[in-house]
Amino acid sequence: AQSVAQPEDQVNVAEGNPLTVKCTYSVSGNPYLFWYVQYPNRGLQFLLKYITGDNLVKGSYGFEAEFNKSQTSFHLKKPSALVSDSALYFCAARTDKLIFGTGTRLQVFP
Amino acid sequence: NAGVTQTPKFRILKIGQSMTLQCTQDMNHNYMYWYRQDPGMGLKLIYYSVGAGITDKGEVPNGYNVSRSTTEDFPLRLELAAPSQTSVYFCASSYSGQGVPLEQYFGPGTRLTVT
Repeated sequence: AQSVAQPEDQVNVAEGNPLTVKCTYSVSGNPYLFWYVQYPNRGLQFLLKYITGDNLVKGSYGFEAEFNKSQTSFHLKKPSALVSDSALYFCAARTDKLIFGTGTRLQVFP
Repeated sequence: NAGVTQTPKFRILKIGQSMTLQCTQDMNHNYMYWYRQDPGMGLKLIYYSVGAGITDKGEVPNGYNVSRSTTEDFPLRLELAAPSQTSVYFCASSYSGQGVPLEQYFGPGTRLTVT
């Protein structure tokens, strides 16, 4: 079965430190890959996507993600975390349909 | 450009009642979706539409119905509400590139409680 895995329920990081939120996928073909962020009591907001080309994709709010085909991963990264980055992050993959991961809660401490 | 709007924001239903959740987008997107998000969980697709007049079931369609008479509107109907339908409902839309739907834009959600 096709799936998207986010192995960490929560990631804690100090403000100013780099952050990584992990995502791996198990889908057929060459999927389109997405990251979304959800702030409390809000809908999901699109951050970035990978379709083809450069493996390092830059998105909104200083986030970037690295596509690794051999490891079937699409980890979200940011060089310097902000307290305001604290939110729920979802990875998603599209082949014939969009498959969401279960989400990772990012907590950035001052 | 308001994006995706949903009404109402909150609603409490009694078991067996019916209601319609409204969703409108002003981005001329051809794809539209309805999801539910239960506490601490990810999103589950209820129904989706690839264009006006065309709808299809998602992962959890039972107890729901949809229609798509215009590009802009995609209402979700709950018939005979049950406590299991207590959830937050999100509508989303997306455009397509080379026939493939791309990133989705989400509404603010409707928080529904069935008691």
